[in-house]
Amino acid sequence: DQQVKQNSPSLSVQEGRISILNCDYTNSMFDYFLWYKKYPAEGPTFLISISSIKDKNEDGRFTVFLNKSAKHLSLHIVPSQPGDSAVYFCAAQSGAGSYQLTFGKGTKLSVIP
Amino acid sequence: EAGVVQSPRYKIIEKKQPVAFWCNPISGHNTLYWYRQNLGQGPELLIRYENEEAVDDSQLPKDRFSAERLKGVDSTLKIQPAELGDSAVYLCASSSLRGETQYFGPGTRLLVL
Repeated sequence: DQQVKQNSPSLSVQEGRISILNCDYTNSMFDYFLWYKKYPAEGPTFLISISSIKDKNEDGRFTVFLNKSAKHLSLHIVPSQPGDSAVYFCAAQSGAGSYQLTFGKGTKLSVIP
Repeated sequence: EAGVVQSPRYKIIEKKQPVAFWCNPISGHNTLYWYRQNLGQGPELLIRYENEEAVDDSQLPKDRFSAERLKGVDSTLKIQPAELGDSAVYLCASSSLRGETQYFGPGTRLLVL
């Protein structure tokens, strides 16, 4: 049973527009969430994270929103650039000191020039 | 600062052969993780080390997989004998002992024929 779900396998967005990647989770014990970006033949690269005590975290063009009641988080990329084309993984962690990450299956983002 | 280093990057072997992967974590990172990523899936944790101690190996198939982290720095993951289903990308990650962000290496892509 997938505890972290990324229901959109792929997403295409025009350059300069907003990209919104979604992630749902089922385990209410998750309290820390991360987004990783992965290029082909490379390992996942940490992008941005959010603690469950917050509902928003921003870093440049990237913003993550957390809706705890809906068990939903989203990653917004504004404006989208061709270099953002990659697979984006949502990951969740539960409890302080628990380092186990549970990943979603990923969403492949294509930014069209 | 150098990132997580893994070798080899690619490995092709015949089934029933042994194979080993090597990982050098980010300097100063006490916690080291081995993940396996199957095609179209997110990474799944195999084993976690804190210094030289394996503190979570519940997901490691112990009949054929083994890992070690002598001296609490470099780590090796071994499969003996390899099976067709072991074809995957094997990722190593590291984090500071009390940190929450895991940093991944480029991975070793294994193909078992």
